[in-house]
Amino acid sequence: QKEVEQNSGPLSVPEGAIASLNCTYSDRGSQSFFWYRQYSGKSPELIMSIYSNGDKEDGRFTAQLNKASQYVSLLIRDSQPSDSATYLCAVNLWGTSYGKLTFGQGTILTVHP
Amino acid sequence: DVKVTQSSRYLVKRTGEKVFLECVQDMDHENMFWYRQDPGLGLRLIYFSYDVKMKEKGDIPEGYSVSREKKERFSLILESASTNQTSMYLCASSLVRGTPNQPQHFGDGTRLSIL
Repeated sequence: QKEVEQNSGPLSVPEGAIASLNCTYSDRGSQSFFWYRQYSGKSPELIMSIYSNGDKEDGRFTAQLNKASQYVSLLIRDSQPSDSATYLCAVNLWGTSYGKLTFGQGTILTVHP
Repeated sequence: DVKVTQSSRYLVKRTGEKVFLECVQDMDHENMFWYRQDPGLGLRLIYFSYDVKMKEKGDIPEGYSVSREKKERFSLILESASTNQTSMYLCASSLVRGTPNQPQHFGDGTRLSIL
């Protein structure tokens, strides 16, 4: 079983819709969770960090964390074509040191006009 | 803003050459990382460093070495480049601030081609 798993995608949504990206992880004691956006040919860019259960909102982005169920999700409201990218979920799994992150394989999101 | 700078965006080398990839960060971060990213394989950790002169192997260290002589600089070395090392190489850094862990910040990447 993969340690960090994302919904396989690709995901296609119309402009203005809500895009929902999901990620599950293997270790219940994990404490730090991050979402990165990666445009084609570019490097990953941090868009959200979340550490506590519940929702965290930043503009059109909302991260949701449920440690009991071991999942973290990212909602993008009012999706725009410029949101088309690969989204990477990253987790600092319990027991890892030195800030190491385990990345999911990524979900490709396409927002069509 | 955190700035992680990789020395080259594109690099072309020949098999058997010794290749150096340089990474510099300007935020006094303790942790630095080298990844490679290949289609369908995701991000794979090659090496990381948590302090000057300290290093640890990641998931795929074979064929690579690293050097960290100064806190802000982390170098990846391909000892004898081979075609299967053609890839996108990404450097990242993060701050140590107890728990929880801080995010990693990435450089722009180096697309390396070995001919």
